[in-house]
Amino acid sequence: QVQLMQSGAEVKKPGASVKVSCKASGYIFSDYSLHWVRQTPGQGLEWLGRINPNTDTTDSAQKFQGRVTMTKDTSITTAYMQLSGLTSDDTALYYCARSSEGTWYAFDYWGQGSLVTVSS
Amino acid sequence: DIVMTQSPLSLPVTPGEPASISCRASQSLLHRTGRKYLDWYLQKPGQSPQLLIYLGSIRASGVPDRFSGSGSGTEFTLKISRVEAEDVGIYYCLQTLQPPLTFGGGTKVEIK
Repeated sequence: QVQLMQSGAEVKKPGASVKVSCKASGYIFSDYSLHWVRQTPGQGLEWLGRINPNTDTTDSAQKFQGRVTMTKDTSITTAYMQLSGLTSDDTALYYCARSSEGTWYAFDYWGQGSLVTVSS
Repeated sequence: DIVMTQSPLSLPVTPGEPASISCRASQSLLHRTGRKYLDWYLQKPGQSPQLLIYLGSIRASGVPDRFSGSGSGTEFTLKISRVEAEDVGIYYCLQTLQPPLTFGGGTKVEIK
């Protein structure tokens, strides 16, 4: 069955970087884009960007450009999202979710979420 | 960026009764192809969001037919024909027309 298994919780200091992983299984990795969405109490759900594993192209929200890097390792069907220059505002639950390749809609499977806490 | 506004913020419901949630977009989500780029998700307590409806009105696989989506270019509605106890949670709309994809603020559905 389709699964997106994310890495565990992280605690980071302000200014540091965090790298969250999303291990995909149960489907053909290159057939689906992987999106990154975060959830904060104050901001609700927020889309950070996506990676197309087939073309290796990425798109990110302008708000995060320069700070977010999305990559993938096809050999282990895993996508990564690295966020740099962390502040307390980046404290959130980060999700990966898939959509059909070439599309931006219908996130039909989601990871369980990775909690990132930024605290001095 | 496209701003998504949901209403109401909170919706107390009675099991067996219908319920309706609105989502308004700051610009049309109607593509020249005729597709409407609007998804609906339900986040049950303690869980990740789950897809209910995509492209405005298409029910996702496994979603009960008591859920339906409709709408024009900027005004969308999610309807539950007869609410069940398992439908509690927070409902979000998401515009998928153009990046950055943007979510509505959510509607919390709870049983009266």
